[in-house]
Amino acid sequence: VQLVESGGGLVQPGGSLRLSCAASGFTFSDYEMNWLRQAPGKGLEWLSYIGFGSGTIYYADSVKGRFTISRDNAQNSLYLHMKSLRPEDTAVYYCAREATNSSGYYVFDSWGQGTLVTVSS
Amino acid sequence: QSVLTQPPSVSAAPGQKVTISCSGSGSSIEDNYISWYQQVPGTAPKLLIYDNNKRPSGIPDRFSASKSGTSATLDISGLQTGDEAEYYCGTWGISLRTGGVFGGGTKLTVL
Repeated sequence: VQLVESGGGLVQPGGSLRLSCAASGFTFSDYEMNWLRQAPGKGLEWLSYIGFGSGTIYYADSVKGRFTISRDNAQNSLYLHMKSLRPEDTAVYYCAREATNSSGYYVFDSWGQGTLVTVSS
Repeated sequence: QSVLTQPPSVSAAPGQKVTISCSGSGSSIEDNYISWYQQVPGTAPKLLIYDNNKRPSGIPDRFSASKSGTSATLDISGLQTGDEAEYYCGTWGISLRTGGVFGGGTKLTVL
């Protein structure tokens, strides 16, 4: 199982960025996927969820209306389009796979290495 | 602000046992399953425990966890220097729409 994020970088406040997460080693379409982030020196924050076929999508209040999650099962890829970026969005962004063997929800059994997004002028 | 509360730090000597607590407000822990994650500095989090007390394949049985009422605990026995990391408890919010929620993290120092 491998998840590899890309697309991070330095962006000015108000700008946009698209993050990608390339999945391999498993049947991507069989898994629900999420984006999470971690601000420098801070804890983990869940951002967004997307179901198997993109029919169900959820967002944290902190990013609702500004971030858009999507997936391409044919390309084994997950995306996060971010707009109207703010300095407080500066963080390492992780894609994470949800476990299928759990009785609970939002159990993240595989994570990418993360990609750093810095919002600064 | 986390709905799950963890102590900021714990410490113990190699070979000893340490317990990390996670307490919840309202029904966040009482009604939900708890997961635990380990994050070694500079790396991504790793799932240690799910469904309150189950270990994924490859996680040694030195790591164990339990839940009672509105509190959960992670026990690490036979401490090793490689266990030095940040530990997070996690669950979900009052509905699936509110997504995943985490404790603020506990820094484990192996003296």
